[in-house]
Amino acid sequence: QSVLTQPPSASATPGQRVTISCSGSSSDIGSNNVNWYQQFPGTTPKLLIHSNNQRPSGVPDRFSGSRSGTSASLAISGLQREDEADYYCSSWDASMPGWVFGGGTKLTVL
Amino acid sequence: EVQLVQSGAEVKKPGESLRISCKVSGYSFISYWITWVRQVPGEGLEWMGRIGPSDSDTVYSPSFQGHVTVSVDKSITTAYLQWSSLKASDTAMYYCARGDSISGGRNWFDPWGQGTLVTVSS
Repeated sequence: QSVLTQPPSASATPGQRVTISCSGSSSDIGSNNVNWYQQFPGTTPKLLIHSNNQRPSGVPDRFSGSRSGTSASLAISGLQREDEADYYCSSWDASMPGWVFGGGTKLTVL
Repeated sequence: EVQLVQSGAEVKKPGESLRISCKVSGYSFISYWITWVRQVPGEGLEWMGRIGPSDSDTVYSPSFQGHVTVSVDKSITTAYLQWSSLKASDTAMYYCARGDSISGGRNWFDPWGQGTLVTVSS
């Protein structure tokens, strides 16, 4: 069972906006930044968003992140079929201490 | 170019030992933690632990403490993940990644190695 809670699946049609939530606690998201990773089937995870809302070079601005209290979210606007992938949130858990991941959300583009 | 290149796939029997490697290039090896992540087939990512290459300071997830050992060889900028006695439940893909900066201010995993598939079966 993952420390951070994500919906197992999400879906939307091309062009729509989709949001993926990530819920934690005061010891992780509540006091530390959140990162998001994108993983296509059979490939290596890739950093998508760091420090809650920062996009690494090369990541389209269709991807955005936010954090509030003990929750975070990833938003994808103008959804494209190539966005179909698994998305994971991650944060530092000061109580462990160590990094924790969400269980992952499989995004399907209908 | 920053690269983390992992050793190849392994097939082992329960009870056997194993060490997999992660060769780093393109940045100052001692300036960032190296983190290890497990992914069981069809499942999510699990953080296993990290090592600071400068002094080999280690932090393990409670879920993996005592079952795996992480180490580094600074002379060849390589990190290792090892098991002394494998179990079938260790069957998974294992990733290394450049982690937090030692000096602080950079707290994420990027880039990742290509992964090493470990299969443990009798």
